[in-house]
Amino acid sequence: QVQLVQSGAEVREPGASVKVSCQASGYTFTDYYIHWVRQAPGQGLEWMGWINPNSGGTNFAQNFQDWVTMTRDTSISTAYMELRRLKSDDTAVYYCARGLGLVHDYWGQGTLVTVSS
Amino acid sequence: DIQMTQSPSSLSASVGDRVTITCRASQNIGSYLSWYQQKPGKAPDLLIYAASSLQSGVPSRFSGSGSGTDFIFTVSSLQPEDFATYYCQQNYNTPLTFGGGTKVEIK
Repeated sequence: QVQLVQSGAEVREPGASVKVSCQASGYTFTDYYIHWVRQAPGQGLEWMGWINPNSGGTNFAQNFQDWVTMTRDTSISTAYMELRRLKSDDTAVYYCARGLGLVHDYWGQGTLVTVSS
Repeated sequence: DIQMTQSPSSLSASVGDRVTITCRASQNIGSYLSWYQQKPGKAPDLLIYAASSLQSGVPSRFSGSGSGTDFIFTVSSLQPEDFATYYCQQNYNTPLTFGGGTKVEIK
């Protein structure tokens, strides 16, 4: 069965970086995009961007373009999302999701990133 | 960016009720609309894609309709496990955008 398993919760100080991983199983990793979506506490869902695991190509929402990096390691079927220059309002749960086109058909369990001094 | 306006933002309903949620896009998105269910502390689950196609394994009491700018999501007979927050999302182009969510609570 399709599974996306994300790395554990992280705590960072403002100005630091964080890298979240998303390991896929149960399907051919390079056949589907991986999207990243975040959700601040008590708030709605915000799409951050996608990575094409086959080519490594990316597409980011404008809000994140200058401070997010998405990469992948096809040898271990894992996608990564790195956020730099963290601020307190980056505190959120970060989800990876498999892209059936632009539809998110399977989601990871989420990774809580807390930014606090 | 395409703005998605969802209403109501919350509603109270009883088990067995028919529940309807609407979602309006700021421009024509054809049928490129999905609906997700999210329970507290969990990731969203895909229920409906392409406005009206039921995701595999999703109960048939869930349905979607609409095209262009106006969409409707319906639960025909609300079950205890359906109390959750529901989001629409346009899949027409990037940046992908979500509605603000509808929290369905027990009356």
